[in-house]
Amino acid sequence: QKEVEQNSGPLSVPEGAIASLNCTYSDRGSQSFFWYRQYSGKSPELIMFIYSNGDKEDGRFTAQLNKASQYVSLLIRDSQPSDSATYLCAGGGGSQGNLIFGKGTKLSVKP
Amino acid sequence: KAGVTQTPRYLIKTRGQQVTLSCSPISGHRSVSWYQQTPGQGLQFLFEYFSETQRNKGNFPGRFSGRQFSNSRSEMNVSTLELGDSALYLCASSERGDRPAFFGQGTRLTVV
Repeated sequence: QKEVEQNSGPLSVPEGAIASLNCTYSDRGSQSFFWYRQYSGKSPELIMFIYSNGDKEDGRFTAQLNKASQYVSLLIRDSQPSDSATYLCAGGGGSQGNLIFGKGTKLSVKP
Repeated sequence: KAGVTQTPRYLIKTRGQQVTLSCSPISGHRSVSWYQQTPGQGLQFLFEYFSETQRNKGNFPGRFSGRQFSNSRSEMNVSTLELGDSALYLCASSERGDRPAFFGQGTRLTVV
């Protein structure tokens, strides 16, 4: 069974700090990776995707992919209380065919 | 483009009954996946359909079934409901398995 692993947290950071969320995956065939944000009681919302090794930046968010280490990360700069949510990592394009989700990391940004 | 639409949004059923949930994907998306989410739990994968064929199935009992129609709309059925089936059921659509999946707002099922 292919898996995506995330530290469940909670991860607590002060407002304005950098939040670093990490994820590892077991399916070497996975080609694409996604980060979703889920507020309590709501459905997951796509915030970033990355297909190639290296960094991809979008506003305050940076996704990093290292296929050799099977490692994906999401950095949130200048964290805001509104960033407090559960962040889900997902891998796609592997042998299973559909996206495989990690269990999520709960982030809390303290004012 | 309209997003993923799930109906109904809320549902209350009695133990032993059955329920059918519906998901209309984004236009052009042929892949529809279903997930169960209970409080404090991650997304539990139920199954995925692509062009009317079930491609993958998670570790759920046979009481959980689904299907996909030629217009890519999908339905999920749960028979002989149990209290433990109370959850948020989410569906997500994508163009294909390596592309972003977009979620509907979910159906919150309560079994009493």
